[in-house]
Amino acid sequence: SQQGEEDPQALSIQEGENATMNCSYKTSINNLQWYRQNSGRGLVHLILIRSNEREKHSGRLRVTLDTSKKSSSLLITASRAADTASYFCATDASGTASKLTFGTGTRLQVTL
Amino acid sequence: GAGVSQSPRYKVAKRGQDVALRCDPISGHVSLFWYQQALGQGPEFLTYFQNEAQLDKSGLPSDRFFAERPEGSVSTLKIQRTQQEDSAVYLCASRKDGGEAFFGQGTRLTVV
Repeated sequence: SQQGEEDPQALSIQEGENATMNCSYKTSINNLQWYRQNSGRGLVHLILIRSNEREKHSGRLRVTLDTSKKSSSLLITASRAADTASYFCATDASGTASKLTFGTGTRLQVTL
Repeated sequence: GAGVSQSPRYKVAKRGQDVALRCDPISGHVSLFWYQQALGQGPEFLTYFQNEAQLDKSGLPSDRFFAERPEGSVSTLKIQRTQQEDSAVYLCASRKDGGEAFFGQGTRLTVV
């Protein structure tokens, strides 16, 4: 079963705008990861945030983690048409190469 | 290899037919995972190997599903007597340690 929910399920924005996606999960975690999936393709890792971290940046990506609320957010700044994809959060309960449990995903559409 | 390789990319099977899906992980990656992804959903965990040992098969939906990794590298996911509900994309991923997972492009299985 899915670990949690992501919202919104779908998001449509114009190029240059920021996109924010939220993820909620149910159990304790070692780390939380965000992945992108283009239509018909495999998942690509974007960023990993550990349970003792609150915020992390990578290029145009900013991830926050609130373990007390069991939630995370992914912010993509200055979006581009190429950012159009589905975005998934995934939780790792133990951090020892154990399974990742994925959320339901947010479908992002960036229009010109 | 350069990445995780899955074959075939597409498979059409008649209901009742057996299928075998192959995954070549990244060389040196100890952990290998199989996921099932239905259309519009996030990946659902099926099973996990550490080297040749299958440590978790809790996600396999029925005893028609069987996975093996006999030499700790290539893995095969076998589905016997396929049913229409087995139609999905089957994703393989490998991890070196507790960090990011590297996914293959997936095998899209359609049971007719």
